[in-house]
Amino acid sequence: GQNIDQPTEMTATEGAIVQINCTYQTSGFNGLFWYQQHAGEAPTFLSYNVLDGLEEKGRFSSFLSRSKGYSYLLLKELQMKDSASYLCAVGSNYQLIWGAGTKLIIKP
Amino acid sequence: ETGVTQSPTHLIKTRGQQVTLRCSSQSGHNTVSWYQQALGQGPQFIFQYYREEENGRGNFPPRFSGLQFPNYSSELNVNALELDDSALYLCASTHSGGGGNEQFFGPGTRLTVL
Repeated sequence: GQNIDQPTEMTATEGAIVQINCTYQTSGFNGLFWYQQHAGEAPTFLSYNVLDGLEEKGRFSSFLSRSKGYSYLLLKELQMKDSASYLCAVGSNYQLIWGAGTKLIIKP
Repeated sequence: ETGVTQSPTHLIKTRGQQVTLRCSSQSGHNTVSWYQQALGQGPQFIFQYYREEENGRGNFPPRFSGLQFPNYSSELNVNALELDDSALYLCASTHSGGGGNEQFFGPGTRLTVL
């Protein structure tokens, strides 16, 4: 079967660092995506990993280990506007397979 | 903004009715994917259209159907609506078929079935 797991909810403090993990088992792999989704809005693209290692983009970084079926999204210098759901998705054949999302709550 | 537009923004229907949702893809994109997202869940893949042909389909019944037009805009049709069809319907476009390219999402259509 195809399965993507990520924590349901996480809480962090403004200015801190948080790591959101994602594990996956899919029949195909064309890369791993992270999207941010604010309540009631469409997902917006954050990062894409197709090779093992760390991709850094400003305050956000994403890591991939294909042999372990594992990725994480690292958010630094958290801001209140980072409160959102973070969705892990795997490109498999012709579609994106999505996790249920991790709701990130930022406290002052 | 991604350049992908969807209409309508919100829609209320009753059980048994039919609905058509529309999507205009980003300029230069020839592939459109449709997703259903229930509250608190990740999006579920419905189907993908590439150059006017269905390129793949998820685990949705035949009453979910679609079209893609020569200008690469697309429609999602749902017949015999059920209460569980209440969800956010997302359209995403990309520049070629497959699952390895960044998909650009429209704002979604919120469908409520009463």
